[in-house]
Amino acid sequence: GENVEQHPSTLSVQEGDSAVIKCTYSDSASNYFPWYKQELGKGPQLIIDIRSNVGEKKDQRIAVTLNKTAKHFSLHITETQPEDSAVYFCAARSNTGNQFYFGTGTSLTVIP
Amino acid sequence: DGGITQSPKYLFRKEGQNVTLSCEQNLNHDAMYWYRQDPGQGLRLIYYSQIVNDFQKGDIAEGYSVSREKKESFPLTVTSAQKNPTAFYLCASSISLGGYTFGSGTRLTVV
Repeated sequence: GENVEQHPSTLSVQEGDSAVIKCTYSDSASNYFPWYKQELGKGPQLIIDIRSNVGEKKDQRIAVTLNKTAKHFSLHITETQPEDSAVYFCAARSNTGNQFYFGTGTSLTVIP
Repeated sequence: DGGITQSPKYLFRKEGQNVTLSCEQNLNHDAMYWYRQDPGQGLRLIYYSQIVNDFQKGDIAEGYSVSREKKESFPLTVTSAQKNPTAFYLCASSISLGGYTFGSGTRLTVV
C-alpha cells in the first residue's frame, strides 16, 4: 500500500519568515494530495490540496508544489504569523480512491 | 450549517467495558471514516464505510466495531478486546474523490 513520509517532525520559525514542510509518497498511482492543519484538541482542517495534473497551487500565503516524477510534494507558508502555529499533516489518496494515507505530522511553532 | 459532529468530547472507560463514540454528519456525504491518533504518530485508519450497510476494516480494526445503518451516522464501539484504547479518535466524511471533513474528535481515556 501507500507510504507517506513527512519531514520535519518539528519546525520553529520567526514570525514573518517562511516555513516549508515536505512529504514523499510511494504509490505512483496516487493522484490527490491534501494538507491539513490541526490545532490543539481539534480535528484537522483542510487548508489546501493539489491534484496530480497540476504542479503548483497557491492560496494567499499558502502554496503547495507537486513533483510527480520524484513523488514528493511540499507545503510552503510565507509571512508566517503566530496563528499559523499548529500541527500540519500531508496525505495522499490511494489509487482506489477509498482512503487517504497520512504523514506523521509536523508541529510548527511561529515565534513572535 | 453543514458539518460533522462527534460526541462526547471526552470519554472515560473502565477496564473490560465497551464504549461507543458517536459520529453524525449532515453534509450528505456517502463515505465516513474512523481514525485513531496517538502522540507523535499519524492518523491510522480503523474502519471506513462508503455506503449504508457496508463497511471495511482499516489498518487497525482489531478491538473495534462499527455500524452504518443510516447515511448520517457511523458510530464506533471500542470493545474490551482493544488493549490500549487511550487515544484521540477522529471521524471524517467525504464525497467521492473529495477531501475529508473531520469532526472535532473524542478523547478516550482508560481509568
